[in-house]
Amino acid sequence: EAQVTQNPRYLITVTGKKLTVTCSQNMNHEYMSWYRQDPGLGLRQIYYSMNVEVTDKGDVPEGYKVSRKEKRNFPLILESPSPNQTSLYFCASRGTGNYEQYFGPGTRLTVT
Amino acid sequence: AQTVTQSQPEMSVQEAETVTLSCTYDTSESDYYLFWYKQPPSRQMILVIRQEAYKQQNATENRFSVNFQKAAKSFSLKISDSQLGDAAMYFCAYRYLSGGGADGLTFGKGTHLIIQP
Repeated sequence: EAQVTQNPRYLITVTGKKLTVTCSQNMNHEYMSWYRQDPGLGLRQIYYSMNVEVTDKGDVPEGYKVSRKEKRNFPLILESPSPNQTSLYFCASRGTGNYEQYFGPGTRLTVT
Repeated sequence: AQTVTQSQPEMSVQEAETVTLSCTYDTSESDYYLFWYKQPPSRQMILVIRQEAYKQQNATENRFSVNFQKAAKSFSLKISDSQLGDAAMYFCAYRYLSGGGADGLTFGKGTHLIIQP
């Protein structure tokens, strides 16, 4: 089954404790993105990647890092999480020439 | 930078009635895609319908149709014969068709659709 998976689905952590949210897709897609969703703000892009070792900032990259060492994986790293990073995070992917983005199920992160 | 505006934070409709959700966008590009996504309480993002800007014909998917007005930069979603399962948050989104450069979707803030039984 074609899918984007994210782990963990739920995470509660404390300020300053480094964490990684994993994202993996099994569709051999070149493009991958991370979004955060906040009430009243919709979804905003954090980072995107157009292929292995090619990443760039989206609209709200502050406080986040990403890497793309393998085509299928695109982890999101919060090196020193803060409460304002409490949010719902989505990973998405699409293939070259495809219009549709496939979204993961979301990760609910709470930073206390 | 492109922006997407959904001016209706919340809409309510009676079951079996028709409802229209509004979306406007701002872009200097001529080629792009527009989308409506549905997000039910499960939080999953579900693609409802898409429209290519170069196509004049409005897209239709069963009970869902769009009114795409390119000159006005308007992209509304009409849901006919509303069903209880249509209750969700709906997001309008934009993506341009550039062959290179930035990739990703620009979303509106969403419209919460309530279906009254």
